Amino acid sequence: NAGVTQTPKFQVLKTGQSMTLQCAQDMNHEYMSWYRQDPGMGLRLIHYSVGAGITDQGEVPNGYNVSRSTTEDFPLRLLSAAPSQTSVYFCASSYPGSPAELFFGEGSRLTVL
Amino acid sequence: AQKVTQAQTEISVVEKEDVTLDCVYETRDTTYYLFWYKQPPSGELVFLIRRNSFDEQNEISGRYSWNFQKSTSSFNFTITASQVVDSAVYFCALKDSGAGSYQLTFGKGTKLSVIP
Repeated sequence: NAGVTQTPKFQVLKTGQSMTLQCAQDMNHEYMSWYRQDPGMGLRLIHYSVGAGITDQGEVPNGYNVSRSTTEDFPLRLLSAAPSQTSVYFCASSYPGSPAELFFGEGSRLTVL
Repeated sequence: AQKVTQAQTEISVVEKEDVTLDCVYETRDTTYYLFWYKQPPSGELVFLIRRNSFDEQNEISGRYSWNFQKSTSSFNFTITASQVVDSAVYFCALKDSGAGSYQLTFGKGTKLSVIP
């Protein structure tokens, strides 16, 4: 089972460049989300989606865009990369319903020079 | 607003020692869910346990046990007879049960190092 797949696993960008982190899940989960992990900060929610065509902001949305055209895919776009966006990014998905735990991708390490 | 506090940033223990990782949470909701995740050095996030707010029974799974105390808003995690493979960052997380609520609020994590 593929679960949640993120690409790329590693990326180096220059300040001002744009890029898209891809996330796909094959579990038919309605809920998908993006987190960033920084040392000493835990995981912070960037954006999330509760279904195709529906997205909303999390705790740290600035500098990021998302869209959800299909149930399976939830790409995260960096419009103009900044060094402050150097981080490890995790995509996660879950079944509907409060008790459901999140299934995480393996993470994408992004460095912005 | 929800909040999860893991006051222990880093813990080091010698193999075979027992260790407890603390988690204190804040929420206004009467129904909510608590989670623990493990992040080994390889980086992936592994789900360990879920507990709902109405179930205060402690849970044991092998060397792992969890103590949920609503009175102190704590959901602590104990590893008995620790092993080197337990070395990881452990995250506690909270989710409420409101309609359409899907978001997890994470603590900042506790890095556990088990020394052989």
